[in-house]
Amino acid sequence: DGGITQSPKYLFRKEGQNVTLSCEQNLNHDAMYWYRQDPGQGLRLIYYSQIVNDFQKGDIAEGYSVSREKKESFPLTVTSAQKNPTAFYLCASTLTPGGGISGNTIYFGEGSWLTVV
Amino acid sequence: AQSVAQPEDQVNVAEGNPLTVKCTYSVSGNPYLFWYVQYPNRGLQFLLKYITGDNLVKGSYGFEAEFNKSQTSFHLKKPSALVSDSALYFCAVRAPNGGATNKLIFGTGTLLAVQP
Repeated sequence: DGGITQSPKYLFRKEGQNVTLSCEQNLNHDAMYWYRQDPGQGLRLIYYSQIVNDFQKGDIAEGYSVSREKKESFPLTVTSAQKNPTAFYLCASTLTPGGGISGNTIYFGEGSWLTVV
Repeated sequence: AQSVAQPEDQVNVAEGNPLTVKCTYSVSGNPYLFWYVQYPNRGLQFLLKYITGDNLVKGSYGFEAEFNKSQTSFHLKKPSALVSDSALYFCAVRAPNGGATNKLIFGTGTLLAVQP
């Protein structure tokens, strides 16, 4: 089945540790996104990538890093610099992000819970 | 700057009654508007979107939304609520000239509770 796969579903991080969340899509989508969800705050954009080997910071990029070595993969690393990482993380993707095609729908994965222990 | 407001944190409705989840937006130009639903511990599922054309948009699971340009609103509606509709609903907007970022701006979400 086509879709966006996030793993793991649950992840626990110790203080000072870096952790990586995986996101893989087989939809042949060009653009991929990472959002963070906290209760009562909606979704906030962390990073996004329009094409392979290129990505841009979103609204809350501090303490996070990403890579886009393959079209289908967009892993997110939560570094020790992120002081409040406990949240629900959502990966998303869409077709061609260029101007004039802003009506394209963004589709989401099932999310990953990250908890600091 | 573009923004989305969902004025109600929670909406309660009895099963079988009509439901409305409100959304207002602020964006320059003609907006692209979206509704998503999120069930507990799950990702967001796309319900419907308005791009252009008919102001009444029909989507998944019997939901519809009406684009009202003068009131800058895009309220989600369903004629007869089901208990299984209970979930968190997000409205989102993208400016027509959002450039290559294609970013969506989300509201804070409205929890819909349908009582049997």
